[in-house]
Amino acid sequence: GQNIDQPTEMTATEGAIVQINCTYQTSGFNGLFWYQQHAGEAPTFLSYNVLDGLEEKGRFSSFLSRSKGYSYLLLKELQMKDSASYLCAVRDWTYSSASKIIFGSGTRLSIRP
Amino acid sequence: DAGVTQSPTHLIKTRGQQVTLRCSPKSGHDTVSWYQQALGQGPQFIFQYYEEEERQRGNFPDRFSGHQFPNYSSELNVNALLLGDSALYLCASSEDREGTEAFFGQGTRLTVV
Repeated sequence: GQNIDQPTEMTATEGAIVQINCTYQTSGFNGLFWYQQHAGEAPTFLSYNVLDGLEEKGRFSSFLSRSKGYSYLLLKELQMKDSASYLCAVRDWTYSSASKIIFGSGTRLSIRP
Repeated sequence: DAGVTQSPTHLIKTRGQQVTLRCSPKSGHDTVSWYQQALGQGPQFIFQYYEEEERQRGNFPDRFSGHQFPNYSSELNVNALLLGDSALYLCASSEDREGTEAFFGQGTRLTVV
């Protein structure tokens, strides 16, 4: 089966750095995504990792370790608009011609001034 | 490019009724996945359509069914609605190849009373 764990809530200060962790278990791992979701809106794509290591994209970076089933999303120079839920999602490739993206429950990040 | 569009945006139904939700994928995308997102939770995978066939299915009862049309648009049907079916229903489209992200529509907020 599949299982994705991430903290339920986190709080950080404007201008600071925050790291959101995600651990996963899946039978057919084929990539890990991070999505941002503001309240009442659809998720929007932030990053994708399929190989081990760090992917940097502006203020956001995502890290993956496949052997540990672990990823993190690093947000730098936090802004108030970064207050949102951050969803860790894994592409599960259960057989050769199909895949599905499975989401964790999300981490609600609150930024304080 | 209009991206992924869903209709309607909001819907109120009575227990026992049936509902149909619609999704038009992003231009160039041939795969459509449906998700149910309860308040405070991550999206739960319902099923995925490719080439007009259901290719993958999550842990949802047969009351949830769908269809994909030749133009790749899709419908989600839910029969015999329960109060617990109240949620945000998200449609995500993608290309059927490795590494591609899923783009989400704004969702349909279904309330069952």
